[in-house]
Amino acid sequence: NAGVTQTPKFQVLKTGQSMTLQCAQDMNHEYMSWYRQDPGMGLRLIHYSVGAGITDQGEVPNGYNVSRSTTEDFPLRLLSAAPSQTSVYFCASSNLRDRSSYNSPLHFGNGTRLTVT
Amino acid sequence: AQKITQTQPGMFVQEKEAVTLDCTYDTSDPSYGLFWYKQPSSGEMIFLIYQGSYDQQNATEGRYSLNFQKARKSANLVISASQLGDSAMYFCAMREGGAGNNRKLIWGLGTSLAVNP
Repeated sequence: NAGVTQTPKFQVLKTGQSMTLQCAQDMNHEYMSWYRQDPGMGLRLIHYSVGAGITDQGEVPNGYNVSRSTTEDFPLRLLSAAPSQTSVYFCASSNLRDRSSYNSPLHFGNGTRLTVT
Repeated sequence: AQKITQTQPGMFVQEKEAVTLDCTYDTSDPSYGLFWYKQPSSGEMIFLIYQGSYDQQNATEGRYSLNFQKARKSANLVISASQLGDSAMYFCAMREGGAGNNRKLIWGLGTSLAVNP
């Protein structure tokens, strides 16, 4: 079972460059999300989606764009990378289909370590 | 205000002993779920255990159990018979079940556990 697949695992960018972090899940989950993890800051939500064609901002959306054209894919775009975006990025998904789906755990990808110089 | 508080930044435990990692939460929603995740040094986020607000019994999963005290709003993780492989960061998280909550998880800042041989 692939679960949540994130690519790349590592990336180095120069300030001002753009890139897309890819995320795909094969569990037919409606909910997908992107987090960044920084030392001492825990996990902070960047953007999330509750279904194809629906996206919304999390706590720290500035500098990032997302789209959700299919249930499976949820790419995260950095339009103009800044050193402050150096972080570890996680994509995660969960099932929303059930009425009681607040009990559905998030399934995480293995993360992308991004460095912006 | 922090909705999830993990008061122990770092913990040490001797191998084969039990350890309790604290988590307190704050919500006025009667429906919610509490989750614990493990993040080893390799970086992946691993779901460990879940407790629902209406669950009558404490959740257990192998060596993991959750000491759920609803009135005190605490959901402490108990790891029995610690193993060296339990050395990791542990995160507590909550999802509120009310309508319109966007199904977002609210995260604590984590507790670093070191298991000594």
